[in-house]
Amino acid sequence: GAVVSQHPSWVICKSGTSVKIECRSLDFQATTMFWYRQFPKQSLMLMATSNEGSKATYEQGVEKDKFLINHASLTLSTLTVTSAHPEDSSFYICSASLSMQQYFGAGTRLSVL
Amino acid sequence: AQSVTQLGSHVSVSEGALVLLRCNYSSSVPPYLFWYVQYPNQGLQLLLKYTSAATLVKGINGFEAEFKKSETSFHLTKPSAHMRDAAEYFCAVRLTGNQFYFGTGTSLTVIP
Repeated sequence: GAVVSQHPSWVICKSGTSVKIECRSLDFQATTMFWYRQFPKQSLMLMATSNEGSKATYEQGVEKDKFLINHASLTLSTLTVTSAHPEDSSFYICSASLSMQQYFGAGTRLSVL
Repeated sequence: AQSVTQLGSHVSVSEGALVLLRCNYSSSVPPYLFWYVQYPNQGLQLLLKYTSAATLVKGINGFEAEFKKSETSFHLTKPSAHMRDAAEYFCAVRLTGNQFYFGTGTSLTVIP
């Protein structure tokens, strides 16, 4: 089956630093990838839709300058949390679209000190 | 607009008992519906999906769901709960552009 790899699985950083999260489709090409944020005991909140070779589409209320998304190839999308602050601490999950289905990465736990 | 609603944020069942997790959808067009499971600190794993073929859909780990248009429901069931079934379960509907709308989730606890 389709596999999506997300890295790192857990990252701790100091306030004010930037963190990059990678999302790779290992055995298929994904023209569209999605980035979600999940707060404890809550559902997934779509942050943005990442399209290969074009700018990401951000959901309302998501700061595009805060959460930089790059989808430079058909197998890789990255999310960079810039100047991270404690309120950015969360679980971030990516997914890749294939045949009208989404395949999810294992998620990244971000803790900002 | 298409959406799903999950009734019951927490469900507890005894090991060996029937599991029933509820999901109702709202859609003006035939929906594509999904059930995902999430274990702690992990991503989502697809359990099963409905794509307008058979109304009774069988998934992994003994789960199944029945699409009932008259009730606008897509409830998830499993005849006999196992301890390893304890997890968070999400119902989702596919929107245009391959975006998904997720329900609020149901936490399943299995009591030994």
